[in-house]
Amino acid sequence: GDSVTQMEGPVTLSEEAFLTINCTYTATGYPSLFWYVQYPGEGLQLLLKATKADDKGSNKGFEATYRKETTSFHLEKGSVQVSDSAVYFCALKSSGDKLTFGTGTRLAVRP
Amino acid sequence: GAGVSQSPSNKVTEKGKDVELRCDPISGHTALYWYRQRLGQGLEFLIYFQGNSAPDKSGLPSDRFSAERTGESVSTLTIQRTQQEDSAVYLCASSYQLAGGDTQYFGPGTRLTVL
Repeated sequence: GDSVTQMEGPVTLSEEAFLTINCTYTATGYPSLFWYVQYPGEGLQLLLKATKADDKGSNKGFEATYRKETTSFHLEKGSVQVSDSAVYFCALKSSGDKLTFGTGTRLAVRP
Repeated sequence: GAGVSQSPSNKVTEKGKDVELRCDPISGHTALYWYRQRLGQGLEFLIYFQGNSAPDKSGLPSDRFSAERTGESVSTLTIQRTQQEDSAVYLCASSYQLAGGDTQYFGPGTRLTVL
């Protein structure tokens, strides 16, 4: 079945550091890939997505590129801010319409 | 416009009791999903409604779990004879499937604690 594996947290960084959160997947066919973010005290919200190989999703300075050859969708940001502190979830949607999520990675950014 | 809303935000119940959780999707969204998030784990799919089609119940963990949706509006997730392992945050999401949209919009969740 479908599965998503993402790096375990927590990840602690200083402000303006470079961020990478790894995500790899196993799926049948050609899934759509997503990053969702959950800020403290808020609901889950879509951060970015990519629907086919080599697509790059981007939003709020975050980027992720759909790599079919390595079945990966790593999240990156060049310079994190304290306000980026949150839990980040990688997810996929293949056959059917349900999302399959990773376990989440907590990011803490220190001033 | 208004997002997905869920009620109650918190529910504490005793083992063996039944609970009902409510989800109000975004108006006009044809698809509605329920997920469960246990502490320290990712989200698990429970059930999916799309228009008038038969729901996809493949994620329901046992026959104690059921859900209903009236048309393209409110959905209720019912857990009968609750167990301690049912303690989790229950999340509802909706999307506008007819447009081919992939994006699911999530509600704030209901935190269920079974004592």
